[in-house]
Amino acid sequence: AQSVAQPEDQVNVAEGNPLTVKCTYSVSGNPYLFWYVQYPNRGLQFLLKYITGDNLVKGSYGFEAEFNKSQTSFHLKKPSALVSDSALYFCAVRDTGYALNFGKGTSLLVTP
Amino acid sequence: NAGVTQTPKFRVLKTGQSMTLLCAQDMNHEYMYWYRQDPGMGLRLIHYSVGEGTTAKGEVPDGYNVSRLKKQNFLLGLESAAPSQTSVYFCASSNGPSGANVLTFGAGSRLTVL
Repeated sequence: AQSVAQPEDQVNVAEGNPLTVKCTYSVSGNPYLFWYVQYPNRGLQFLLKYITGDNLVKGSYGFEAEFNKSQTSFHLKKPSALVSDSALYFCAVRDTGYALNFGKGTSLLVTP
Repeated sequence: NAGVTQTPKFRVLKTGQSMTLLCAQDMNHEYMYWYRQDPGMGLRLIHYSVGEGTTAKGEVPDGYNVSRLKKQNFLLGLESAAPSQTSVYFCASSNGPSGANVLTFGAGSRLTVL
């Protein structure tokens, strides 16, 4: 099955600093990759996706992700973190059929 | 525009009891999904539906049943609840297969089985 791995359970960053949340993937064929965010006591919200095209994908709330085929990575980035970015972030990949396989999630904490 | 609505938001059951979680979407989406979220395990797909009257098993279907009698509703049933089913359940819907289309999630239903 197609899968993603999020190697960090938690990422801490100071407000105003750049942030990176890591994701690596394992797929056969071309990957369809996604990032979702979950704020406390809420459902997941879509941030961005990569299907084809430019390796740098821009999404909601100033986030972007870089698709790197040679490193099989799809890291989420933001140039300047906000306290309000603190949330749980999930990377996901299309599985065969209709499913979307999610990573275990990375908790992002942005401190003032 | 409500999007995806889940009821109830919270429920406590005793082992062996049954219950149904209701998911309703008002976006005319064809595809609907039930996921469970457990700490350190991300989201795992329980069942999904690709249209009215259809259902299919996901990664962790055991102990659950689903029905999609109307396009806008997707019901998740637990016939005999077990403590291992304590979790947060999320319903989602999409315009097409989740592999290429954006999922819209409900706010979640927190279930505790004692």
